[in-house]
Amino acid sequence: QSALTQPRSVSGSPGQSVTISCTGTSRDFGDYNYVSWYQQHPGKAPKLIINDVSKRSSGVLDRFSGSKSGNTASLTISGLQAEDEADYYCCSYEVTSTSYGFGTGTKVTVL
Amino acid sequence: EVQLVESGGDLVQPGGSLRLSCAASGFTFSPYTMHWIRQAPGKGLEGIAYISTTGSTIWYADSVKGRFTISRDNAKNSVYLQMNSLRDEDTAVYYCTRDKSVVAFDYWGQGTLVTVSS
Repeated sequence: QSALTQPRSVSGSPGQSVTISCTGTSRDFGDYNYVSWYQQHPGKAPKLIINDVSKRSSGVLDRFSGSKSGNTASLTISGLQAEDEADYYCCSYEVTSTSYGFGTGTKVTVL
Repeated sequence: EVQLVESGGDLVQPGGSLRLSCAASGFTFSPYTMHWIRQAPGKGLEGIAYISTTGSTIWYADSVKGRFTISRDNAKNSVYLQMNSLRDEDTAVYYCTRDKSVVAFDYWGQGTLVTVSS
């Protein structure tokens, strides 16, 4: 499976909203909802924040939301805070090949 | 408390072999598909292998197919990654993860560093 495409970086001021896109092919997303999002701070293991396109993981604040339309999945961070500054990765499962892949990663900077 | 603890990372010469282990605790291990995911220095995440609950389904990324072997021992609550014919490009932190549904990796180990260099 080819890597999913994400913007290299996005930025916003505290309190603003930012949206990270994750673009693939119809094979990557298909009619299934197997898309997840991970947050990774420097030197730390990734943390699951969204699975099944829009389900927030346990303990994740509702400032984080996920969606999907066609061949693009999106993660929106509302009310941006300093601690949201991290790298974010999408991930999707391709049902036909039973394989999966990660996005190229997006660095979120809080100005 | 759910814990995944990787071990076995080391400095190895190109062409060499290593076996990574991941010890799970704090949850019932057998019902979960387990994955190995790696991250090269300064790079993104790459899923490289997964093994289903009984080991009946195994998948490898093209980058490691034929060189790496994933296995598990449900009696020992452990998953393993045998890595042969290692290459420079295999240098990475290797994470063991639990999949709570489909590509929903809810717990990660701390990672173990594999460095392939002469």
